[in-house]
Amino acid sequence: AQSVSQHNHHVILSEAASLELGCNYSYGGTVNLFWYVQYPGQHLQLLLKYFSGDPLVKGIKGFEAEFIKSKFSFNLRKPSVQWSDTAEYFCAVMGQAGTALIFGKGTTLSVSS
Amino acid sequence: GAGVSQSPSNKVTEKGKDVELRCDPISGHTALYWYRQSLGQGLEFLIYFQGNSAPDKSGLPSDRFSAERTGGSVSTLTIQRTQQEDSAVYLCASSLGGRAADTQYFGPGTRLTVL
Repeated sequence: AQSVSQHNHHVILSEAASLELGCNYSYGGTVNLFWYVQYPGQHLQLLLKYFSGDPLVKGIKGFEAEFIKSKFSFNLRKPSVQWSDTAEYFCAVMGQAGTALIFGKGTTLSVSS
Repeated sequence: GAGVSQSPSNKVTEKGKDVELRCDPISGHTALYWYRQSLGQGLEFLIYFQGNSAPDKSGLPSDRFSAERTGGSVSTLTIQRTQQEDSAVYLCASSLGGRAADTQYFGPGTRLTVL
């Protein structure tokens, strides 16, 4: 069965610090990988996604993620966080033949100004 | 419409009552999904509709949960004989064609509280 593990439940950073949120997945076939973000009081929105090709994927707001197949990982990074990045971040996987997103339990990021 | 809409935004009900939650997907999207977001459980898939195909109900937690999609557009999620553990935010998402490459766009959710 597919599953997603996010290593950090709550991350606290100061503005301008670098960010890396861990995500590992379990799936036996070709996967599609996603990061979604939920800002306070807003609905889930897509940050970035990976299907094939370049394993380094760039998304909105300066975020990027790297797919490392050998490690079953899809970690999210940002070189310099801002206060406005305070949100909950969800990693998700979908099998090539699948339809539903399987989400990790999420990581809450708090950025202090 | 511009995005996925859901109603009501909040619903408080008493244990044992039935509730209906509504989702209006993005116009032209053939795929529609229901998820549930609860403390400690994160985001869980419930059910998926694609066009006129039989829905994928594999995520429904019990037979008290059901959903329908009329005319390939609006969907209603029904929970019968609600229990306190049903308290959660119910999210609807839609995508253009239901393919793995199609982005799922989420609505704002319905917060259900069962007293």
